[in-house]
Amino acid sequence: GAVVSQHPSRVICKSGTSVKIECRSLDFQATTMFWYRQFPKQSLMLMATSNEGSKATYEQGVEKDKFLINHASLTLSTLTVTSAHPEDSSFYICSANPGQNQPQHFGDGTRLSIL
Amino acid sequence: QKEVEQDPGPLSVPEGAIVSLNCTYSNSAFQYFMWYRQYSRKGPELLMYTYSSGNKEDGRFTAQVDKSSKYISLFIRDSQPSDSATYLCAMSVRGNEKLTFGTGTRLTIIP
Repeated sequence: GAVVSQHPSRVICKSGTSVKIECRSLDFQATTMFWYRQFPKQSLMLMATSNEGSKATYEQGVEKDKFLINHASLTLSTLTVTSAHPEDSSFYICSANPGQNQPQHFGDGTRLSIL
Repeated sequence: QKEVEQDPGPLSVPEGAIVSLNCTYSNSAFQYFMWYRQYSRKGPELLMYTYSSGNKEDGRFTAQVDKSSKYISLFIRDSQPSDSATYLCAMSVRGNEKLTFGTGTRLTIIP
């Protein structure tokens, strides 16, 4: 149980393109999902907390107009990287809690490469 | 000083050895402690989850939490080449909130 699915797993696109990444909880409902970014050989950096039915909470230094988050249902959150540039190339990972006081489960990540 | 300290390694041990991985932390309010395993180009996989102090065992894995020393450990018995990965400790004050991660320890089990 507690499966989190992320799609797509790999994206390669040109500079200036907007890219949407989906995060789904397959066997549980999640009022809160989390979006992380990870650079090579580094730990995960929290970007934002996605809240179902309300605005996301962004961490300091993360541009909310650059990284649009929508959590329209209890099983789906999306991250859109708008007008992506090469410096946005990274590994993006989402997570969700299957219940109160339950540990976070992670998706398999999306590797984004902007040419 | 980082909120969570973890030796990044790399750590190499022979197959069958016992592996000890550790994290220290400074925030005494942390109550939920997790260990995740991450293979290259994959998301973190939950290994162990502990609330407050104590020990927890699951197969070849044992997690220990010592809140008085602000120190957590993960032990891997009878290590296998398939255990080669990066191990991340993570913790939070309350459930269902953002995690604070260690930097991760890269582990290689040598056949």
